[in-house]
Amino acid sequence: KQEVTQIPAALSVPEGENLVLNCSFTDSAIYNLQWFRQDPGKGLTSLLLIQSSQREQTSGRLNASLDKSSGRSTLYIAASQPGDSATYLCAVIPPWGYNQGGKLIFGQGTELSVKP
Amino acid sequence: KAGVTQTPRYLIKTRGQQVTLSCSPISGHRSVSWYQQTPGQGLQFLFEYFSETQRNKGNFPGRFSGRQFSNSRSEMNVSTLELGDSALYLCASSPEGTGAEQYFGPGTRLTVT
Repeated sequence: KQEVTQIPAALSVPEGENLVLNCSFTDSAIYNLQWFRQDPGKGLTSLLLIQSSQREQTSGRLNASLDKSSGRSTLYIAASQPGDSATYLCAVIPPWGYNQGGKLIFGQGTELSVKP
Repeated sequence: KAGVTQTPRYLIKTRGQQVTLSCSPISGHRSVSWYQQTPGQGLQFLFEYFSETQRNKGNFPGRFSGRQFSNSRSEMNVSTLELGDSALYLCASSPEGTGAEQYFGPGTRLTVT
């Protein structure tokens, strides 16, 4: 059974710091991995999608890497800003989901607070 | 393009009642998935519909059901509500649902009293 873990559960950093959020999964056979951001009481905003054949994806100040063999992904945020404060979630799609519908398996998230 | 929309945004129901939530996907998206988010269990997959057919289902009791219409809009229904059904219900749409990027709506906050 695929399980996704995110460490730490909460993180507080001063503005301007570069930071790394971690995501690990127990079964390396995944179809893709997606990072999301969730503001309190709101829906999820997709940040980056990494296909299983890719090693990393970049969007602005965000860079996500994927190492399937070790069951790990990291989300790197450069020059953090108070507006980055939110909960960050990673989710994987197992390979059997390819022909049976998209089923995201989520981690519990990392709550990030960036202090001015 | 308009994003995923969900109605209503907030709902208060009494234990034992039933409720119907609605989701309109991004134009052109044919796959709609539903998730339940609670503080204790996090985000859990309910089911996914593609071209009006349920293609995948999570581990929820039969009180949770859904359907999809020909215009890809989807509804989920929860019958005989229990206090534990209080949650944020999120729907996501994607072009195919087969590993494609999923886009989430703002959610419906359901409170069962």
